[in-house]
Amino acid sequence: DIVMTQSPDSLAVSLGERATINCKASQSVLHNSNNKNYLAWYQQRPGQPPKLLIYWASTRESGVPDRFSGSGSGTDFTLTISSLQAEDVAVYYCQQYYSIPYTFGQGTKLEIK
Amino acid sequence: EVQLLESGGGLVQPGGSLRLSCAASGFTFGTYALSWVRQAPGKGLEWVSSVSDSGGRTYYVDSVKGRFAISRDNSKNTLFLQMNSLRAEDTALYYCAKVDGTGTTSRAFDIWGQGTMVTVSS
Repeated sequence: DIVMTQSPDSLAVSLGERATINCKASQSVLHNSNNKNYLAWYQQRPGQPPKLLIYWASTRESGVPDRFSGSGSGTDFTLTISSLQAEDVAVYYCQQYYSIPYTFGQGTKLEIK
Repeated sequence: EVQLLESGGGLVQPGGSLRLSCAASGFTFGTYALSWVRQAPGKGLEWVSSVSDSGGRTYYVDSVKGRFAISRDNSKNTLFLQMNSLRAEDTALYYCAKVDGTGTTSRAFDIWGQGTMVTVSS
């Protein structure tokens, strides 16, 4: 199984500042056949289902604000929120869909400082 | 509007059974793989099972193999999860989720339902 490890577990950032969340896979999720990283990022606000933010490691889902961006390849990935807004308070998860079982990181709780 | 609506959760004793349903609308149901993902109270997300667009291929996390069965009825736009031999550790909010592309289960989950709660307790 591919183990996904996020860091940090929690993060407090001031409004308007940058937030960075890291995700490390225990093995590469880059598929050689199409050169795509099978990595997604989700946002889960309290009491809500997860919402897809980023797929293929760096492609923003339709309707997601451009302050959210994803980067990385192979085993190391980053979700960046360029200017934190109040509505970004949530838990963020990375997920690999390269191989079954599809696995999620443990989550990173983002709060306002 | 694309929607998924789960139902069928509830309180069940250890060893008991439940059948979850997920009614879909707003998209061509039979062209997308679907999955179940669960979240134990206060915990993170765990993928449970996926089924291909035709229903011919199914996949499970090891902890539910032999106890859970995923299926779908493309004529009724409905996904199912039959859960048998339930354990306390199966207690969770169960979400159904649609993948964001056709032809494979190996895609991100772009649409999620609100979830249905399963509690396994005596």
